[in-house]
Amino acid sequence: DTAVSQTPKYLVTQMGNDKSIKCEQNLGHDTMYWYKQDSKKFLKIMFSYNNKELIINETVPNRFSPKSPDKAHLNLHINSLELGDSAVYFCASSPRGNAEAFFGQGTRLTVV
Amino acid sequence: AQSVSQHNHHVILSEAASLELGCNYSYGGTVNLFWYVQYPGQHLQLLLKYFSGDPLVKGIKGFEAEFIKSKFSFNLRKPSVQWSDTAEYFCAVVGSNTGKLIFGQGTTLQVKP
Repeated sequence: DTAVSQTPKYLVTQMGNDKSIKCEQNLGHDTMYWYKQDSKKFLKIMFSYNNKELIINETVPNRFSPKSPDKAHLNLHINSLELGDSAVYFCASSPRGNAEAFFGQGTRLTVV
Repeated sequence: AQSVSQHNHHVILSEAASLELGCNYSYGGTVNLFWYVQYPGQHLQLLLKYFSGDPLVKGIKGFEAEFIKSKFSFNLRKPSVQWSDTAEYFCAVVGSNTGKLIFGQGTTLQVKP
């Protein structure tokens, strides 16, 4: 039973399209994150939610909009996709904001 | 602002060699520290963590790390690496008051059989 699951695993789409990535955790954690990993493997925090409330928004373009319908889910919607959005996006959850995070398998987004 | 820096970007070792990967952080308060490993094509997995207490922490797969507060460092060590340790290693830090888990640039470890 996967603790943090993301769908889809792979996403190939054209520039200008809108797409969503879904994330669910069954660990009962209060905190959830989205990270972007670029081609050089650098992991950049994008957003953090605590109990459905946005806590951290790291100067991400407003084309990216996270939504947390409940504390077990944190989805990421991306509008008007650009080539530079191509990356692996990781969802993660944590029991609290200062503890270790548990990561999903990642979603490899390719914008063509 | 908090930041994390990993000194080694690419390390190549032969099997049975000893490993030490450097990590330094910057933050004006109490931190919790982590090392993660990412095997090729996989997600990040926690190797070990430090919250408080004994500054020498042991993790999975024979890894350990030492927190040296005066040097703002949290270096990862393993006495004898195996080919299966080939992976990307990330140091991470979260300030106790920030709730912001940030990662270093990562170190690619290649172990030659």
